[in-house]
Amino acid sequence: DTAVSQTPKYLVTQMGNDKSIKCEQNLGHDTMYWYKQDSKKFLKIMFSYNNKELIINETVPNRFSPKSPDKAHLNLHINSLELGDSAVYFCASSQANTGWDTEAFFGQGTRLTVV
Amino acid sequence: GENVEQHPSTLSVQEGDSAVIKCTYSDSASNYFPWYKQELGKGPQLIIDIRSNVGEKKDQRIAVTLNKTAKHFSLHITETQPEDSAVYFCAASRAARSGAGSYQLTFGKGTKLSVIP
Repeated sequence: DTAVSQTPKYLVTQMGNDKSIKCEQNLGHDTMYWYKQDSKKFLKIMFSYNNKELIINETVPNRFSPKSPDKAHLNLHINSLELGDSAVYFCASSQANTGWDTEAFFGQGTRLTVV
Repeated sequence: GENVEQHPSTLSVQEGDSAVIKCTYSDSASNYFPWYKQELGKGPQLIIDIRSNVGEKKDQRIAVTLNKTAKHFSLHITETQPEDSAVYFCAASRAARSGAGSYQLTFGKGTKLSVIP
């Protein structure tokens, strides 16, 4: 069974559209994340979320919003897509304990192409 | 915020040789330092991690060292094999704040390792 799964794997869409990427983890983790990987392979945190708080990287446009229907899911909604949003988006999860951090498991990624 | 620098950006080694990748971090409060391997078309996968109360950790052909004073940590791969070819990322984070439950990894820019048969 895949630990962290994202759908779709590829997404091609036109500028101005609204799209969502789904993420599910079956590890029982309490915290989920979204990362963006640009064309130069640079990985950058976008959001982290657990049942206590949502932490948003201040550089993320408010067109991006995470939605968590339950502890095992953290979906990414993107409004009014722009060309610069083209990237690979990774979902991740971890069991974040107070005091020490633990391994983050990543999904396979969603390659978003805005045309 | 945290800033992680990673060098080199590309590294080519002959099969059987060793590979070393180095990272520095800026936030002295960071206390968790994982290394991830990313193969083409896949998500990053943890290969080894080290916490700030440890100076060195080894797992078979892979080892990581941490120098808290200098704020740098390194990945060492010995007896490299063609299947070690991938992009390697170092990362740093601080422990979750009390009452919160999440942390964020700050990644280096990656090292593309090529192992030549």
